[in-house]
Order: sequence, then structure tokens, then C-alpha cells
Amino acid sequence: GAGVSQSPRYKVAKRGQDVALRCDPISGHVSLFWYQQALGQGPEFLTYFQNEAQLDKSGLPSDRFFAERPEGSVSTLKIQRTQQEDSAVYLCASSSPGSGGYVETQYFGPGTRLLVL
Amino acid sequence: AQSVAQPEDQVNVAEGNPLTVKCTYSVSGNPYLFWYVQYPNRGLQFLLKYITGDNLVKGSYGFEAEFNKSQTSFHLKKPSALVSDSALYFCAVRPYAFRGGYQKVTFGIGTKLQVIP
Repeated sequence: GAGVSQSPRYKVAKRGQDVALRCDPISGHVSLFWYQQALGQGPEFLTYFQNEAQLDKSGLPSDRFFAERPEGSVSTLKIQRTQQEDSAVYLCASSSPGSGGYVETQYFGPGTRLLVL
Repeated sequence: AQSVAQPEDQVNVAEGNPLTVKCTYSVSGNPYLFWYVQYPNRGLQFLLKYITGDNLVKGSYGFEAEFNKSQTSFHLKKPSALVSDSALYFCAVRPYAFRGGYQKVTFGIGTKLQVIP
């Protein structure tokens, strides 16, 4: 596609409910990133995939957060037993792989705004 | 640990005047630096990046940024501001990685730019 797409754009969940957020990266992009952006803050790194391999999940705030990219394309971020502090915008970004010192640019989707009541 | 500071929550500038949005960083080794812009209800859009070479980097929409190693700064500039430049601007940093390998990107909290007609 032309850019990174995310769905749903908005999600309202009751506390304790499980949610799943989807990211469709730019076709052919090997790298995929998830970020959490709280109100008035910059994006905070959650996790990184290279193809289907999750190479860095150091930013996931708790074991309630889980991400997958089983076929190396679409990715899903799942949050179990949502809490009010999970309310934020979840951003997905994708990029082409770096090689020979080339530093890839991350291209962002529009985000999913999650509100936990 | 790497970090980014954007000391101004908001910058106001009159249309047609030059604008500067400040950014300082902290990182081990050589930095790779980025500027992104975010419009309401949109994801981040890439403006420009510094990898190596010329300290003055030119990017999209007439923006440029100057890398200053001694001051660990990467300020965003534009000679003549437009009302349409009003948005949220994020500075980001990641450390050098051999052969352009993966390194986590850290974002600042953002600066709101308001261009007054």
C-alpha cells in the first residue's frame, strides 16, 4: 500500500477487556516497530520486529502486552486485561532494512487511540 | 542511556518570520538524529535526518536542521514560517550501529509550533 495503515483508529475498552490492534506496514518493509504515545508525550518504544522475528521487546510495559508478526508482514499488538493507564495512542512504524551503514527512516501509521474506561 | 530534550513546550512565531525549534540530545558515541512532525490525529511524518557529513541538513517542506556536536544540539529551522507549519514537532536520536544495524530510537516529548497569521 501507499503507507502504513492501522486499525481500528479508535477503540474504547472497559477495564479488564482484551484488545487487539492491527498494523499493516508498507509492502516490502522488513522492520516493524510499535510505540506508545501518552497524552502530551513523545512516542515510547514498545517492540521491534525484523520480518517475523521479535528482536527487541524491552519496551513492553508488562506481560499483559504481547505482539506478533507471524508471516513477517501484518502485526498485531494485543493487550490483555486492559487498565486505565493503558489509555494512549499506539503507533506502528515500518522501515526498509539498513545495510552498509545506511540508517533507515521509520514511516508511521496514523495510530490507534485506545481509551480504557 | 540515550535521551532527547526539547526545552520548549510551545514556540510561537509570526508568519513569514524565521523559526527555530530546539533539541539537545545525549547518546553514547556518534548520534543519528531525526525530526518528525505530527498533525492532529495523524501519525508522525519524517522531515529530515542527520547521519554524517555536512552539519546542515535539508529536509521536507523547506525545513533544515543544524547538527552541533560540541553543544549536542540539533535545532530545527525554517527561514520563513507558514501558518500550515503549525503542528507538533518531535526530535529523536539513536546511537551509531555498525553497518547500520538496529538500534532503538528515543523521541523527545515534542514542541508545539504555532504560526500566527
